[in-house]
Amino acid sequence: GAVVSQHPSWVICKSGTSVKIECRSLDFQATTMFWYRQFPKQSLMLMATSNEGSKATYEQGVEKDKFLINHASLTLSTLTVTSAHPEDSSFYICSARRRLAQTSTDTQYFGPGTRLTVL
Amino acid sequence: AQKITQTQPGMFVQEKEAVTLDCTYDTSDQSYGLFWYKQPSSGEMIFLIYQGSYDEQNATEGRYSLNFQKARKSANLVISASQLGDSAMYFCAMRESTDKLIFGTGTRLQVFP
Repeated sequence: GAVVSQHPSWVICKSGTSVKIECRSLDFQATTMFWYRQFPKQSLMLMATSNEGSKATYEQGVEKDKFLINHASLTLSTLTVTSAHPEDSSFYICSARRRLAQTSTDTQYFGPGTRLTVL
Repeated sequence: AQKITQTQPGMFVQEKEAVTLDCTYDTSDQSYGLFWYKQPSSGEMIFLIYQGSYDEQNATEGRYSLNFQKARKSANLVISASQLGDSAMYFCAMRESTDKLIFGTGTRLQVFP
């Protein structure tokens, strides 16, 4: 099946530092990837849609300058949390869009997530 | 208004029994897709099953089936012969005319021996 990886799986950093999270589609090319944020015991909140070769589309209320997204290739998207603060601590999860076998539709395959803790 | 509603915050089921997780949705689009994902404690979101709005037959994938009732706007997930490994959070999601998935609040399923 489709495999999406994320690195790192967890990170602890000091307030004010920047953290980069990578999302890779391992066995398929993904023109579109998505970045979500999930707080404990809550649902996933879409942060932005990342399209290969173009600027990301951010959801309302998400700061573009704080959460930098780069989708430089068909298999890699990165999310950089700049000048991280404790309120940025969360579970960040990416997904990649891929055609569902034997259908005419796409679905999203998710990475394992990255737990960010900002001290 | 909520686009996706999962009214059961938690469900219990005994091993080998079947369980139904409820999901209702709200859309004015004619073409849309409905998805179920499983999120174990590890955090990864695992795709389970998909139902298209024009699909006349209910989707099935192994022990998972989707009870699609279009007029009632419901897309319940049925898990047959529950296993201990089925214990997880389950999210219903909808995709309308864009690429975006809209998720429900989830149902925590606990399977006991």
